[in-house]
Amino acid sequence: DAGITQSPRHKVTETGTPVTLRCHQTENHRYMYWYRQDPGHGLRLIHYSYGVKDTDKGEVSDGYSVSRSKTEDFLLTLESATSSQTSVYFCAIRNGAGVNEQFFGPGTRLTVL
Amino acid sequence: TQLLEQSPQFLSIQEGENLTVYCNSSSVFSSLQWYRQEPGEGPVLLVTVVTGGEVKKLKRLTFQFGDARKDSSLHITAAQPGDTGLYLCAGGRGSSYKLIFGSGTRLLVRP
Repeated sequence: DAGITQSPRHKVTETGTPVTLRCHQTENHRYMYWYRQDPGHGLRLIHYSYGVKDTDKGEVSDGYSVSRSKTEDFLLTLESATSSQTSVYFCAIRNGAGVNEQFFGPGTRLTVL
Repeated sequence: TQLLEQSPQFLSIQEGENLTVYCNSSSVFSSLQWYRQEPGEGPVLLVTVVTGGEVKKLKRLTFQFGDARKDSSLHITAAQPGDTGLYLCAGGRGSSYKLIFGSGTRLLVRP
């Protein structure tokens, strides 16, 4: 299994509060991704990183920001959580060599009340 | 917008039966991956196909990439309860950093 961990695994928060989710990898992979998974929508890309301090937006980036100060860590921040951001969040990594194969973390279930 | 459509969306079968899941698009992909996801866990990569017409086997699972690289299928022989889960296909294009995911097929294999 790819060495990817996510923290926290579960979080309940209130509308308007800031939330930061962490993805940590031990594979030294270049690319890291944040997705959200919702019933009826599948996996949707929020943001991704193609190197330290190099990030770009995905298809559902509004309300989210990311940071990557080290190869191994990719942080996803909800500046002011809303109920529409209740979801399961997955981090994925890719080593960048050849085919775009991504390996996923165990997920974080976030509930915004 | 590139779309990958999976069918069926849900499948409930008896242990021992065979099944096929489809992943279709109007776009050409340079690679296609199949993932399986179990409740409460992240998707796990099963296979990657890159050549039109390519067939790969993983025990009782057979994966095929269409000749035109626009579609793929997953066939399971003699399904077992352990095959239960959400099956996702995902397509990659050239140098793009992104994958396009299908919405998934939820499989339930009843003992």
